[in-house]
Amino acid sequence: DQQVKQNSPSLSVQEGRISILNCDYTNSMFDYFLWYKKYPAEGPTFLISISSIKDKNEDGRFTVFLNKSAKHLSLHIVPSQPGDSAVYFCAASVSGSARQLTFGSGTQLTVLP
Amino acid sequence: EADIYQTPRYLVIGTGKKITLECSQTMGHDKMYWYQQDPGMELHLIHYSYGVNSTEKGDLSSESTVSRIRTEHFPLTLESARPSHTSQYLCASSEYQGGSPLHFGNGTRLTVT
Repeated sequence: DQQVKQNSPSLSVQEGRISILNCDYTNSMFDYFLWYKKYPAEGPTFLISISSIKDKNEDGRFTVFLNKSAKHLSLHIVPSQPGDSAVYFCAASVSGSARQLTFGSGTQLTVLP
Repeated sequence: EADIYQTPRYLVIGTGKKITLECSQTMGHDKMYWYQQDPGMELHLIHYSYGVNSTEKGDLSSESTVSRIRTEHFPLTLESARPSHTSQYLCASSEYQGGSPLHFGNGTRLTVT
């Protein structure tokens, strides 16, 4: 049973436009959410996170929105750049949990020049 | 900046061979993790450690074993490799459990023929 779902395996966006990546979760105990970015042949790198006490967190071009009632979060990238082309993983955890993070299956973002 | 190293980056090996995937980190993190990932799929936790001489199995059943004799070193061993073990293996560490970001190595791409 997949507790973190990224239903779009791929997304293509024109350079300069907004990229919106979506993630849904089913476990209401999750209270901390993260986005990771992964280039081919490299490990994932941490991008941005949000605690369940917030509904928005912003870091430069990246903003994560959390809708707890809908169990949904999204990552907005504005403006999108070709270097943003990568696989983006959503992850969630229960603070203090012994098992760290539960990951989604990822969304391949392609930013077209 | 996170410093976590995995060797080898790529490994092609025949069925029945014993292999050890190396993972080392220089950050002094107590928490270390092994994830397995197949293309287009989520990362699955297969082992984790909260410190020296502490190891636990993760969510995904794995025939591999791990050891944690030193804080900085967390090797993964397969006693007898099989084609079903073909996958990417990602090592990670973190400062705290629960929601703290993981720092990943670049992974080992294992192919068992």
